[in-house]
Formats: sequence, structure tokens, C-alpha cells
Amino acid sequence: QKEVEQNSGPLSVPEGAIASLNCTYSDRVSQSFFWYRQYSGKSPELIMSIYSNGDKEDGRFTAQLNKASQYVSLLIRDSQPSDSATYLCAGDQAGTALIFGKGTTLSVSS
Amino acid sequence: DVKVTQSSRYLVKRTGEKVFLECVQDMDHENMFWYRQDPGLGLRLIYFSYDVKMKEKGDIPEGYSVSREKKERFSLILESASTNQTSMYLCASRDGGPTDTQYFGPGTRLTVL
Repeated sequence: QKEVEQNSGPLSVPEGAIASLNCTYSDRVSQSFFWYRQYSGKSPELIMSIYSNGDKEDGRFTAQLNKASQYVSLLIRDSQPSDSATYLCAGDQAGTALIFGKGTTLSVSS
Repeated sequence: DVKVTQSSRYLVKRTGEKVFLECVQDMDHENMFWYRQDPGLGLRLIYFSYDVKMKEKGDIPEGYSVSREKKERFSLILESASTNQTSMYLCASRDGGPTDTQYFGPGTRLTVL
């Protein structure tokens, strides 16, 4: 299994819907996880980080971590066209380099 | 406001040329990284450095070298550029803890003709 895996998509949702992005990870990745958003032609920017089991909410974004299932997710409520981007899941590797999944492309239609 | 800067946004070079990509961070971070990003392949780690003059190979170091003479500056060197090195190159920096955020520079789009 690759260290961090994501469904490449594209994931298409209508404006106002909930977008659900998922990520699984292997034992080589430690227990800190990060969600980045990347617009076309731009560099990744951090949206959320999560370190503990359970949910973490920030505005319209909720990150969920389930360590037993090695599963991380990002929910985007009230999706907007401006949320259309590629979302990268990343896991920490011993406090040095983050290991990234290949990203899920989200398209929000108005 | 944290900042990672890269020397060029766009660069066009010829096959066989030596290419230098520069990256500077102003956050006093220990760790600095060079990635390349290609469609369908995601972000791939080329090299990283955890201290001045220290470096570690990432997943795809072949054809690249790096230099870190000062803490704030990390350079990627393509000794003899080839067309398969045409890519988006992203520099990043991060402090030393497992919960620390990694910050990216704006990227350099390199085309090798």
C-alpha cells in the first residue's frame, strides 16, 4: 500500500452541497495529518490539520481522523464554486517531510 | 506573515544546461524541501535538508543535487537539464515537530527544450 492514498476524482457536487474527500494511510505515516488546497497553477495552501482521533471543525470545513481504520477525511459544507480545486491529503513522517497523496479534484457547479 | 520565495516563476532552459533553482524562507525553519509536481503523479520529494549543509535524498533524487549553505536558503541544481525534467518545482519549509505546518513557495514552472 502506498503511504497516503486518495481517490483522484473528479468529485462533482452542486453548489450548497456537502463535499466529502477521503484519504487512507499506511503504518509508515505517523499520526499527524494535513489537508491542503491547490488551485490550478498555484502552490498548495494549508486548510486544516488534525492530530487526534475524532472531528475538528473550522468554519465550513471539518476534518475527521480514525486511527484504527487509518482513515482521514475532509468535509466541506455549503460548497461554493470557489472551492473547486485539488485537495491534497498529507501525513507526517517523523517530523521531517510530509508524504502527500496524489490529490482529489473537486468541482462545484453553480 | 510566513513566506517562502522562489527565484523564478517561469524558466526555459536548453537540454544540457546547468540550472539553479533558489528558495528562501524567512521563518527560521529547520527543514526545507524540494518537490516536483507532474499531472497524475502528484507531489514527489526530490531532496530535503534538516540543517545547514545537511541533505537527504527523497524519492526521486536522480539528476538533481542540492545545496544549503545558510539556514534560510535551499538550492536545487540540475547538473545537465533534460526534457524529462520539465515540471513544476515547489520548495517548502517546515519546523521540526510532527504537528508543524509545511509552507510552500509559489513554484517554478521549468521547461527544458
